[in-house]
Amino acid sequence: DTGVSQDPRHKITKRGQNVTFRCDPISEHNRLYWYRQTLGQGPEFLTYFQNEAQLEKSRLLSDRFSAERPKGSFSTLEIQRTEQGDSAMYLCASSWTSANTGELFFGEGSRLTVL
Amino acid sequence: GQQLNQSPQSMFIQEGEDVSMNCTSSSIFNTWLWYKQDPGEGPVLLIALYKAGELTSNGRLTAQFGITRKDSFLNISASIPSDVGIYFCATRVQGAQKLVFGQGTRLTINP
Repeated sequence: DTGVSQDPRHKITKRGQNVTFRCDPISEHNRLYWYRQTLGQGPEFLTYFQNEAQLEKSRLLSDRFSAERPKGSFSTLEIQRTEQGDSAMYLCASSWTSANTGELFFGEGSRLTVL
Repeated sequence: GQQLNQSPQSMFIQEGEDVSMNCTSSSIFNTWLWYKQDPGEGPVLLIALYKAGELTSNGRLTAQFGITRKDSFLNISASIPSDVGIYFCATRVQGAQKLVFGQGTRLTINP
């Protein structure tokens, strides 16, 4: 399978716990993006990496959120001290640097439910 | 910030009907994109538009980049059951890599 892979697909946690999501992009892609999608809404941009460098961060990414891409391949998104408002689908996407802007390839997402 | 308004929010049609939806903004953009999202899946790019006035087709789908650069339209001809899903317009923020998405148009098809 050469698509974007996300793990886990579903996570249920209690408020206050930490959670971590992993994204494996398409292997040739050097750009990696994280988006958040709540019910009935379109995806909202969280952050973007080119190789291992985190180049853009949204104001949505509070201090409790941290994303890494240590070797320029897979990425992790950690949420500390989860709140019920964090419940959402977390989508990862990847692209080539040379691709026409907007041609992002999305994974199937990791759905987070905070009780 | 930039906001994209999609219309209609939902559509209920009969199989075989044609579908039209649109996306508008108060800002000018250089890129318009249309994505489709199936339940439990991530969005998939359908059509990308990069020039004002551009009309692009992908099978039964046709999209246009509005001449004012503030809107875009997506048409689906002769709808089939697999067209069911949520259609999102998106555009790129100037000087950044991030995409901004509309709130989506949910398409339901009665066989």
